[in-house]
Amino acid sequence: GAGVSQSPRYKVAKRGQDVALRCDPISGHVSLFWYQQALGQGPEFLTYFQNEAQLDKSGLPSDRFFAERPEGSVSTLKIQRTQQEDSAVYLCASSLSGRTGTGELFFGEGSRLTVL
Amino acid sequence: DAKTTQPNSMESNEEEPVHLPCNHSTISGTDYIHWYRQLPSQGPEYVIHGLTSNVNNRMASLAIAEDRKSSTLILHRATLRDAAVYYCILREDSGNTGKLIFGQGTTLQVKP
Repeated sequence: GAGVSQSPRYKVAKRGQDVALRCDPISGHVSLFWYQQALGQGPEFLTYFQNEAQLDKSGLPSDRFFAERPEGSVSTLKIQRTQQEDSAVYLCASSLSGRTGTGELFFGEGSRLTVL
Repeated sequence: DAKTTQPNSMESNEEEPVHLPCNHSTISGTDYIHWYRQLPSQGPEYVIHGLTSNVNNRMASLAIAEDRKSSTLILHRATLRDAAVYYCILREDSGNTGKLIFGQGTTLQVKP
């Protein structure tokens, strides 16, 4: 079956533009995570959904970042008024189970955002 | 969140075993030890996880110290495709989201 799919793979935005990044998780996966990965760094947690409920948004760096998963499947990460420091790879991951210490996260290949 | 400490980088020769260490002295009783790796230009991929006992799967083995304050990921026979950043992560089993908190990881170079 298909893995986690993210689009676009590459996005170039001018400073101040709004961007939307899409994540299609594996069908039936309850949990969905967004991460931000700057060049040369490990991924940093942004937010977590269990089905359509956003249970943790503690990692969102500012109120310019917004994520939704309205029907409990596809998720969109929106960044308003992009800044150069938003340049990074945005990774989406899904997991079959809900909140648990076990279970494997499946990651997409990421969306690389470059803000000029 | 509990933290892990890993060497920044390691080198290995192809077809030799590799032992990647991880210290997690503040681990709690409900934390699972997870390992993920990230190949260049790809998202992280799951390698293995464990709680107390040593674990084996087709990719690797995980050796967990008796006091659980350290663990070692073992690649039995490194190949060039194993060159990646390896992340050792503690994942909570209760309460929160079960989210993964990544550190800097260990960059593994495999020499032919």
